[in-house]
Amino acid sequence: QSGLIQPPSASGTPGQRVTISCSGSSFNIGNNYVYWYQQFPGTAPKLLIYRNSQRPSGVPDRFSGSKSGTSASLAISGLRSEDEADYYCVAWDDILNGRMFGGGTKVTVL
Amino acid sequence: QVQLVQSGAEVQKPGASVKVSCKTSGYTFAGYDLHWIRQAPGQGLEWMGRIKPYSGGTTYAQKFRGRVTMTSDTSINTAYMELNSLTSDDTAVYYCARDTALDPWGQGTRVTVSS
Repeated sequence: QSGLIQPPSASGTPGQRVTISCSGSSFNIGNNYVYWYQQFPGTAPKLLIYRNSQRPSGVPDRFSGSKSGTSASLAISGLRSEDEADYYCVAWDDILNGRMFGGGTKVTVL
Repeated sequence: QVQLVQSGAEVQKPGASVKVSCKTSGYTFAGYDLHWIRQAPGQGLEWMGRIKPYSGGTTYAQKFRGRVTMTSDTSINTAYMELNSLTSDDTAVYYCARDTALDPWGQGTRVTVSS
């Protein structure tokens, strides 16, 4: 498996709820925590969600994470123009014995 | 506050090596793993490996084994990532990030491999 599976793009209008999926296997998402990162062009990624659903201080509660079985998801409620960015999921993979990233999802605010 | 400051951009020829540094501050350096991740132009994020500064123990992604070396110097709270036998495919921005949660990240170091 080359990586966790994310849709390449997602979009919504201001105020809408957008959900990004992250699909894996029992060797990664199914057995380990999932983390989510937000990245704006030309800048380093920033931690958005840790341990499946925990928000670091300073991250708005519009962002939420969940996990079920071998899949995880990131939800952005009350979508804002400043949420337009790339989003990545990550989990440890027990077979690779290393971190496995999703391919990233570009969120566009219409 | 916790900060990770990386060394400046590099231009290297194919076949050469590059060594990127990540100087940390604001926390106990030896107490947290340091990870290295890279991002090729227009591409996603790729995990390269990690180092445990207190022991020097390393875990490398299979793709980079034999070609990457991660080290740390606890006296100056700095971690290093050296990548050998560079090819154009190694052109990317290289990041360091702290701990399991990969938080925070360094600002990134652009490495260009070109003849």
